[in-house]
Amino acid sequence: EPEVTQTPSHQVTQMGQEVILRCVPISNHLYFYWYRQILGQKVEFLVSFYNNEISEKSEIFDDQFSVERPDGSNFTLKIRSTKLEDSAMYFCASKYRTGDDEQYFGPGTRLTVT
Amino acid sequence: KNQVEQSPQSLIILEGKNCTLQCNYTVSPFSNLRWYKQDTGRGPVSLTIMTFSENTKSNGRYTATLDADTKQSSLHITASQLSDSASYICVVSARYSGGGADGLTFGKGTHLIIQP
Repeated sequence: EPEVTQTPSHQVTQMGQEVILRCVPISNHLYFYWYRQILGQKVEFLVSFYNNEISEKSEIFDDQFSVERPDGSNFTLKIRSTKLEDSAMYFCASKYRTGDDEQYFGPGTRLTVT
Repeated sequence: KNQVEQSPQSLIILEGKNCTLQCNYTVSPFSNLRWYKQDTGRGPVSLTIMTFSENTKSNGRYTATLDADTKQSSLHITASQLSDSASYICVVSARYSGGGADGLTFGKGTHLIIQP
């Protein structure tokens, strides 16, 4: 069964460094998402992406963040100048169609900023 | 403001027993309600999705109910197994909200532990 994959599974970085989190969505899906989950808290929406541009973003997704789909398969989240509070699980999700179609989540990347 | 509240926050039951998890929401206009299972350190996996017109849906030992009038949902787990230990997240979608992620509002989840 097709699934969303994410790399790396765990990333440790020093405060102020840049990180790139990678996702490979399900191959025929058209809509892509990034979420984060700080330890012990609920999942929070960051950004949605369709047709090579950002569809929506939350207030969390400020200038520190950017997303890109550099080729036909990868979907990346770049975090510039990481802060301690960026430590969280970052989930990528994708879905095929608009509307109520199901979003499929990847296994997540645990980001630890020291 | 759209909100999803879940109870209890955590629950411990013995293997083989049944349990029911609750979800109350204030999301408008309502589109659908989903229950996800999230194992520790993993991404959420969908269990059920219900639209306004559906009031019950089953997926194996999982049965979700929806009362759109009272804005409540429950997830009933029958004959629990050790592998059911996980967080169960209620997620409500608002139609045409433009509120981000297709209007998805996540609950904090119920942390369920099944003891042998």
